[in-house]
Amino acid sequence: EDKVVQSPLSLVVHEGDTVTLNCSYEVTNFRSLLWYKQEKKAPTFLFMLTSSGIEKKSGRLSSILDKKELFSILNITATQTGDSAVYLCAVTNAGGTSYGKLTFGQGTILTVHP
Amino acid sequence: EAGVVQSPRYKIIEKKQPVAFWCNPISGHNTLYWYLQNLGQGPELLIRYENEEAVDDSQLPKDRFSAERLKGVDSTLKIQPAELGDSAVYLCASSFLGSAGTGELFFGEGSRLTVL
Repeated sequence: EDKVVQSPLSLVVHEGDTVTLNCSYEVTNFRSLLWYKQEKKAPTFLFMLTSSGIEKKSGRLSSILDKKELFSILNITATQTGDSAVYLCAVTNAGGTSYGKLTFGQGTILTVHP
Repeated sequence: EAGVVQSPRYKIIEKKQPVAFWCNPISGHNTLYWYLQNLGQGPELLIRYENEEAVDDSQLPKDRFSAERLKGVDSTLKIQPAELGDSAVYLCASSFLGSAGTGELFFGEGSRLTVL
């Protein structure tokens, strides 16, 4: 059974701080790892990672994947109150009937205070 | 471009009553997912469709839950009878999974169910 574990479960910081969110996984036939941001409504897509060592970057957010050690990190620099959300990590399985299935972690709740 | 549309957004029912949720995916997306999300948890897959075929329903509690995807487009998820533990947000998502599928899902805003 595919498994995704995120840490920390919650994090409280002040504006301007840098945060690192962790995601470790076990999947029988890895295809990709995805990060989502969830505020009060639907999760919205941030990054998809398929190759080790290649950093994906979007503004103040960046992410990298280590397929040997089976983990990914999501960095947010110069945090703002608008970054407050639940950050979800998910992996996709490339094998058989599991192709395209996403398995999510429990999420990290990030709270950014002014 | 319209996103994934779900209805109703909120539903409050008494236990043992039936309830149904509807989802209209993004046009052209051949894969549709129903996820359940409890407070403080990540989404958990209930069922996944490729076109009109349910390719993964292993996590769907089939004694009370059912789903269908008419003509490979819209989908409904039904619970009958509802139990207190079914209170959660039901998320619908869609994607296009061709031979080089990315797995990137687009989520609807969810249907929040409260069972009293």
